[in-house]
Amino acid sequence: DIQMTQSPSSLSASVGDTVTITCRAGQYINNYLNWYQQKPGKVPKLLIFAASSLQSGVPSRFSGSGSGTDFSLTITNLQPEDFATYFCQQTYHTQYSFGQGTKLEIK
Amino acid sequence: EAELVESGGGLAQPGGSLRLSCAATGFSLRSYEMNWVRQAPGKGLEWVSYITTSGRTTYYADSVKGRFTISRDNAKNSMYLEMSSLRVEDTAVYYCAKDRGQLERHAFDLWGQGTMVTVSS
Repeated sequence: DIQMTQSPSSLSASVGDTVTITCRAGQYINNYLNWYQQKPGKVPKLLIFAASSLQSGVPSRFSGSGSGTDFSLTITNLQPEDFATYFCQQTYHTQYSFGQGTKLEIK
Repeated sequence: EAELVESGGGLAQPGGSLRLSCAATGFSLRSYEMNWVRQAPGKGLEWVSYITTSGRTTYYADSVKGRFTISRDNAKNSMYLEMSSLRVEDTAVYYCAKDRGQLERHAFDLWGQGTMVTVSS
């Protein structure tokens, strides 16, 4: 299966900051890359699909970019509700796979 | 409102079996490809299995291939995961997730609340 490597594994930031999480695929995945947010005890929520398309209802401070093997999720003007764990996911190869997650904590 | 509801989780012994169900309400499951995803306690997300709208094509993670079987009954608006030869490492919350299809890169846009499976002697 395709390895998805996120960095950093954890990140501390303050409200109002801009943060970027990166995700690297072990093989070419075109733009079959999705991003999810998960809060403790909650179900994952789709943020970005096809690397850069914003899911309906998701604030525009979330954005995604990349293609091929290297991708990023950027959150501008961090809000208190954004502190959560973020996962990337590839769906190009039939055995889908997730990154290990990036935990975004309040500084 | 569209919703997915999992059931069937519980305690199983190593080597045992369980059958999970995922019922859709508020929309017709037959129109969508579907997936199972699991999350071990305190760990990340692990994709488990995928099924096409007809049920004719299925895919599995290497960790469950040959032990788990995904299926669906579109008439009952439901999907299933038959789990056998269970291992301690199968302990996790199991989620069913609705797939947006290839045009939207198979993003999972609707998740159930999950059902806990514990494998222990």
